Amino acid sequence: GQQVMQIPQYQHVQEGEDFTTYCNSSTTLSNIQWYKQRPGGHPVFLIQLVKSGEVKKQKRLTFQFGEAKKNSSLHITATQTTDVGTYFCRAPYYGQNFVFGPGTRLSVLP
Amino acid sequence: DSGVTQTPKHLITATGQRVTLRCSPRSGDLSVYWYQQSLDQGLQFLIQYYNGEERAKGNILERFSAQQFPDLHSELNLSSLELGDSALYFCASSSGDRGGGTNEKLFFGSGTQLSVL
Repeated sequence: GQQVMQIPQYQHVQEGEDFTTYCNSSTTLSNIQWYKQRPGGHPVFLIQLVKSGEVKKQKRLTFQFGEAKKNSSLHITATQTTDVGTYFCRAPYYGQNFVFGPGTRLSVLP
Repeated sequence: DSGVTQTPKHLITATGQRVTLRCSPRSGDLSVYWYQQSLDQGLQFLIQYYNGEERAKGNILERFSAQQFPDLHSELNLSSLELGDSALYFCASSSGDRGGGTNEKLFFGSGTQLSVL
């Protein structure tokens, strides 16, 4: 069955450094979503990508959808302590349901 | 505030017991999802309801059941509880378009932390 993988599992960065997490699928995706879960909180929707090669920006966050629509990335420029949390991608599974990737946990050292 | 309400926030019970978790979706949302998140783990999809009917099923144990009522609130019933059922249970809602929900954005509640002792 389809699997959605995320790398890395953990990332520790110094405040001000950049951070990137990748979401990879074994099959072509119709769309992909990204969510952020702060420690002790609940997942919060960040963005959805639909088109091949799509790039969207939200302040310091840049989201990309691969040309083949099998992978996606989330890049944070100049991380801040407020970026701490786990970032999940969510992708369609068998066209009807969705699966979350295992997540990338980001720690930002001040 | 996501607009999704989950009660209770915390639940402590013993093995073998049965509990009910409740979720009220955002106003106007027809779809309700249930997820289980164990400590430092990902989000495991349990089940989805759309307008009162089961839409999709994930890795939900036979000891677990759920339903969505006419007022669209949902309940997740966990029975014969085991230590391994201790987890954070999230409910999420979405508008739930009739086309299969390929573009549904989820709004999560704050979760119910279940501890089985």
